[in-house]
Amino acid sequence: ETGVTQSPTHLIKTRGQQVTLRCSSQSGHNTVSWYQQALGQGPQFIFQYYREEENGRGNFPPRFSGLQFPNYSSELNVNALELDDSALYLCASSTGTGFNQPQHFGDGTRLSIL
Amino acid sequence: EDQVTQSPEALRLQEGESSSLNCSYTVSGLRGLFWYRQDPGKGPEFLFTLYSAGEEKEKERLKATLTKKESFLHITAPKPEDSATYLCAVQTFLRGATNKLIFGTGTLLAVQP
Repeated sequence: ETGVTQSPTHLIKTRGQQVTLRCSSQSGHNTVSWYQQALGQGPQFIFQYYREEENGRGNFPPRFSGLQFPNYSSELNVNALELDDSALYLCASSTGTGFNQPQHFGDGTRLSIL
Repeated sequence: EDQVTQSPEALRLQEGESSSLNCSYTVSGLRGLFWYRQDPGKGPEFLFTLYSAGEEKEKERLKATLTKKESFLHITAPKPEDSATYLCAVQTFLRGATNKLIFGTGTLLAVQP
């Protein structure tokens, strides 16, 4: 069984640039959630995609956007990068949106903004 | 506002010295409480889900328990390989995003040989 994979593993950008992060969900999973984890903090929910539709959003501005594809893989796009966007971005997949399904995480993309 | 608080922030144990990590929560309605382990440079690894007060789950040296206001992760006779950050997260009855997790800031556990 293939787990959640994310790419790239590391990325360096400058303020004002745009970035796209990618996630392949675990086999059989149709829901993808994205989280931002600042150093020393717990992950913060950005948004969730279920069957290619956004299914809930956390307290993040519209410059954070996403997509889910028919194969359930997903992208996170961030425009107009700011220094505070430096963090580990985690993707998690699960089956459906039901409460009894644990989310399984990838190892993340470490984004550094200069 | 829904909130999850973990204590202590950091814990150093000798190998074989048992202890407990605490996760207290204030939520409008609890669907489930999750424990994850996170190693440096890695994503969180799922450990347990607890759904109702009184429930307990065990895995090797770890045992998770749940009350109406908090959860404990008991570590019995830990080994150095148990060193990691342990994250607690809750899932609440929210309209939409029913699978959204609200995390605490974690407990950094170091087990010395």
